[in-house]
Amino acid sequence: NAGVTQTPKFQVLKTGQSMTLQCAQDMNHNSMYWYRQDPGMGLRLIYYSASEGTTDKGEVPNGYNVSRLNKREFSLRLESAAPSQTSVYFCASSEAVPQAFSYEQYFGPGTRLTVT
Amino acid sequence: KNQVEQSPQSLIILEGKNCTLQCNYTVSPFSNLRWYKQDTGRGPVSLTIMTFSENTKSNGRYTATLDADTKQSSLHITASQLSDSASYICVVRHASGGSYIPTFGRGTSLIVHP
Repeated sequence: NAGVTQTPKFQVLKTGQSMTLQCAQDMNHNSMYWYRQDPGMGLRLIYYSASEGTTDKGEVPNGYNVSRLNKREFSLRLESAAPSQTSVYFCASSEAVPQAFSYEQYFGPGTRLTVT
Repeated sequence: KNQVEQSPQSLIILEGKNCTLQCNYTVSPFSNLRWYKQDTGRGPVSLTIMTFSENTKSNGRYTATLDADTKQSSLHITASQLSDSASYICVVRHASGGSYIPTFGRGTSLIVHP
């Protein structure tokens, strides 16, 4: 039982390049999330998927797209990377949906992305 | 604007000592509050959750308190260990558009020295 896994762990991109961050969970959770964590700031929600087949914007969705490939996998795509997207990206999952009063999120180890 | 402020920003203590971390929030309407521990290079892990009616909750050497009237929470760590060195993040949820949206604090970086 690996929990939430993310690939790659590290990535360096040049401005304008595209890439996809992969996330998978083996806990049979319904909901999945993408966050970014910048120095001196709290985690900010980029997109989330309350259930398979649905996705919704979070606080900072601009410049990103997501795909809920199936119940296990939720990918984040940067179509044209910018230096402002340099950050650590965390994927998370939860058994309960965001509409539930209380839901615990389980986080992956993160992807450290640098855009030059 | 929904905000979560944590203090201190960083803290250094000696092994075996106690410490208290603070979280003040302006999130409304309040749903619940969680404390997470984030080790360096890892994702956050939940320590405890507090709901409106709860004042105190313990998880081993960690004790969280909540004062919903003053919108303050604290995390007290007793008899600190080297493994407590981490960032501690306060997360407050509020109801919005049918979902419960989390607002994350910036975290308190705790270093425990031997």
